[in-house]
Amino acid sequence: DIQLTQSPSFLSASVGDRVTITCRASQDFNSHLVWYQQKPGKAPNLLIYAASTLQSGVPSRFSGSGSGTEFTLTINSLQPEDFATYYCQQLNSYPLTFGPGTKVDIK
Amino acid sequence: EVHLVESGGGLVQPGGSLRLSCAASGFTLSDHYMDWVRQAPGKGLEWVASFRNKANGDTTEYAASVKGRFTISRDDSRNLLYLQMSSLKTEDSAVYYCARNEFDSGWKVDYWGQGILVTVSS
Repeated sequence: DIQLTQSPSFLSASVGDRVTITCRASQDFNSHLVWYQQKPGKAPNLLIYAASTLQSGVPSRFSGSGSGTEFTLTINSLQPEDFATYYCQQLNSYPLTFGPGTKVDIK
Repeated sequence: EVHLVESGGGLVQPGGSLRLSCAASGFTLSDHYMDWVRQAPGKGLEWVASFRNKANGDTTEYAASVKGRFTISRDDSRNLLYLQMSSLKTEDSAVYYCARNEFDSGWKVDYWGQGILVTVSS
């Protein structure tokens, strides 16, 4: 099974900040990695797929990069609506697995 | 427009059974891989089960935590996805989401339902 870890688990930031979240995998895999944003009481919302492709309709301040075992989600110029929890997920092999999440809170 | 709507949740006693449904509109279920994902209160996301599309044999995959107790299925005539849950445990309590997979230069899970709450308690 591919285990995913995320760092940090919690992040306090201000509007306008640049934020980077890292997702590390327990083994090398191709880039079937996605990133979601989730707000309380809501379903996850797809931001990035194939590690670096921006989902249609997602603001360009979100970007993804990485390969192998290390992937990053970057939010440039954090906006008030970006305060949420972010998850990575690997779609490379079953069982599909999620990272534990990174909560981005207002400083 | 793509929509997924879950139903069938509720309160059930440990050891009991429940069947969740996911009504799809705006696309044909059998053309896509479909997932069930759950989220226990205050916890992270957990993949539960997948149903591959017709082109890939309509086969299924399960998380170890539910294998042998849960069954994912699909009704093509009604464009419905199901999750039959039996021998339920308190740790199965969660919001359950159905979600659509798509391949577009890479796999992605692009549409999710609003989620349905399942509570397993005596």
